[in-house]
Amino acid sequence: GAGVSQSPSNKVTEKGKDVELRCDPISGHTALYWYRQSLGQGLEFLIYFQGNSAPDKSGLPSDRFSAERTGGSVSTLTIQRTQQEDSAVYLCASSLGQGGPQETQYFGPGTRLLVL
Amino acid sequence: GDSVTQMEGPVTLSEEAFLTINCTYTATGYPSLFWYVQYPGEGLQLLLKATKADDKGSNKGFEATYRKETTSFHLEKGSVQVSDSAVYFCALSDGSNQGGKLIFGQGTELSVKP
Repeated sequence: GAGVSQSPSNKVTEKGKDVELRCDPISGHTALYWYRQSLGQGLEFLIYFQGNSAPDKSGLPSDRFSAERTGGSVSTLTIQRTQQEDSAVYLCASSLGQGGPQETQYFGPGTRLLVL
Repeated sequence: GDSVTQMEGPVTLSEEAFLTINCTYTATGYPSLFWYVQYPGEGLQLLLKATKADDKGSNKGFEATYRKETTSFHLEKGSVQVSDSAVYFCALSDGSNQGGKLIFGQGTELSVKP
């Protein structure tokens, strides 16, 4: 079946602009994660959604970052007033959401964000 | 907090050589351990995992054993191929109070020469 999809695949923006990144998880997966992959920081957790529970936002680096998940499916990560240090690949992953920490997460191809 | 430390790369090997990529972890609970791989131009994909002490994960000729006494999860392969060239990430998921979020090591780039 279809995997995790993300759009856009690439995004170039100017410093100070807002950007929205989209993630479509695998159908039926109730858990959804956002990560960031950058040269300086490696792979970092950003935010986690599980069903109707309050999201775990503990990894968001600043209040310029926010995410929502509508209808338990599609998620949007929004970065306001982008800065050059926000340049990175933003990865989305999903899992069944039934088996706890041992569940396999399936990753999308990522959105490469460049802030000029 | 929880953390994962991997051996630094890049690692360059000849085809059919033996591979070891070291990974150690720090965790307060009983984590699940994973190796993810990122092939050139592709997304992250699970290579193998182990969910409790002494478990061995294996896939595509790769193996890793969950060693609680040494807090390690080293990745091994007996005979690497050019197609194994990729970046390998060790990760843990504690899940004690924060869901299944993954904490990754810094990644180890492997280059296999013919």
